[in-house]
Amino acid sequence: DVKVTQSSRYLVKRTGEKVFLECVQDMDHENMFWYRQDPGLGLRLIYFSYDVKMKEKGDIPEGYSVSREKKERFSLILESASTNQTSMYLCASGSGQGKTTNEKLFFGSGTQLSVL
Amino acid sequence: GEDVEQSLFLSVREGDSSVINCTYTDSSSTYLYWYKQEPGAGLQLLTYIFSNMDMKQDQRLTVLLNKKDKHLSLRIADTQTGDSAIYFCAEHTGGFKTIFGAGTRLFVKA
Repeated sequence: DVKVTQSSRYLVKRTGEKVFLECVQDMDHENMFWYRQDPGLGLRLIYFSYDVKMKEKGDIPEGYSVSREKKERFSLILESASTNQTSMYLCASGSGQGKTTNEKLFFGSGTQLSVL
Repeated sequence: GEDVEQSLFLSVREGDSSVINCTYTDSSSTYLYWYKQEPGAGLQLLTYIFSNMDMKQDQRLTVLLNKKDKHLSLRIADTQTGDSAIYFCAEHTGGFKTIFGAGTRLFVKA
């Protein structure tokens, strides 16, 4: 059974802290994504990666960075957490090959981050 | 621009059919998807349809696509309490980007 694992289910951090969210997939997918989910806004793409060490900005990259040192692992970094980054963070890996148009996404269970 | 719109809530009685609607704006979308999110979980792919199809059926699920109106719907037959969840419509426009709607929360009353 395919699996995307996010390291933490709940996380509470203070304003200004550096936060690492980890995601691991076991499907050998090239594409990996970080979304944030807020009520009424759906999912918004923060960053994605289509290969090891490759990264691209999504729609809302400000305040975030990412790291993809190994194919199976994609990390989201909040350099200096702020209260407006309180949200549900969802990692996904995609079955697409390169820029193919059929991208089935497999999601982790999410990390609910609260920044106080 | 790219946008996917869907109503936020739907309430049905157990045993009835549910129809969740979605409109999208990018006429170049070639694949359209329905994802389901149960409480406390990530999204799970339910089904998808290729843009040259009008309909796709998978057990209790029927997807209808009207390309002219850029309208996508998901029908769930014989809706059960276990179908209570948030349903997301999504379009893939090529490249690496999948655009999601805000999600429709389906309530199933016993």
